[in-house]
Amino acid sequence: DTGVSQDPRHKITKRGQNVTFRCDPISEHNRLYWYRQTLGQGPEFLTYFQNEAQLEKSRLLSDRFSAERPKGSFSTLEIQRTEQGDSAMYLCASSSGTGGPPLHFGNGTRLTVT
Amino acid sequence: SQKIEQNSEALNIQEGKTATLTCNYTNYSPAYLQWYRQDPGRGPVFLLLIRENEKEKRKERLKVTFDTTLKQSLFHITASQPADSATYLCARAESSGNTGKLIFGQGTTLQVKP
Repeated sequence: DTGVSQDPRHKITKRGQNVTFRCDPISEHNRLYWYRQTLGQGPEFLTYFQNEAQLEKSRLLSDRFSAERPKGSFSTLEIQRTEQGDSAMYLCASSSGTGGPPLHFGNGTRLTVT
Repeated sequence: SQKIEQNSEALNIQEGKTATLTCNYTNYSPAYLQWYRQDPGRGPVFLLLIRENEKEKRKERLKVTFDTTLKQSLFHITASQPADSATYLCARAESSGNTGKLIFGQGTTLQVKP
């Protein structure tokens, strides 16, 4: 399978714990995006990388959130001191070097904070 | 700020009928609009893109229109099948500078009954 893969698919954590998600984009894509989606809503942009450089972060992304893409390949999204409001589906997407559409999404990591 | 609005009420239709979903946007017309399909527990999958200067675009049983006067796109599925049941998302790029930073509507859920 050469699509975007995300791990884990599901994560249940207690409030206050740290969690980390991984995304492996399509190998030839140099742009990588993180989105968050809550029930009944469309995905909301969080941040994006071109190669290893994080070029934009949404105001939605609090200081508890950090994302990395150390070698321009896979990316990780870490949430520190999780809160119940962080419960959502975290989606990763990638696109080709021109940055044009479409976005290729993974199947997401479903986070539940109890 | 720019917004994408889709009918949040579910659309229920009979197999074989044509489903029509609406997407309205605010502010200036985007260079193009995109439509994605999302199944429960999965990431969005790109379906179609229509450019500002295209009135209509077709792909198999799918048809999309773009009306810059009404600031609206319509998405049609002809000869609908139960397998078409899913949530359909409309999206625009927030700016021409980062075309992967999308603003999504909340999606319309289509249920096709056999």
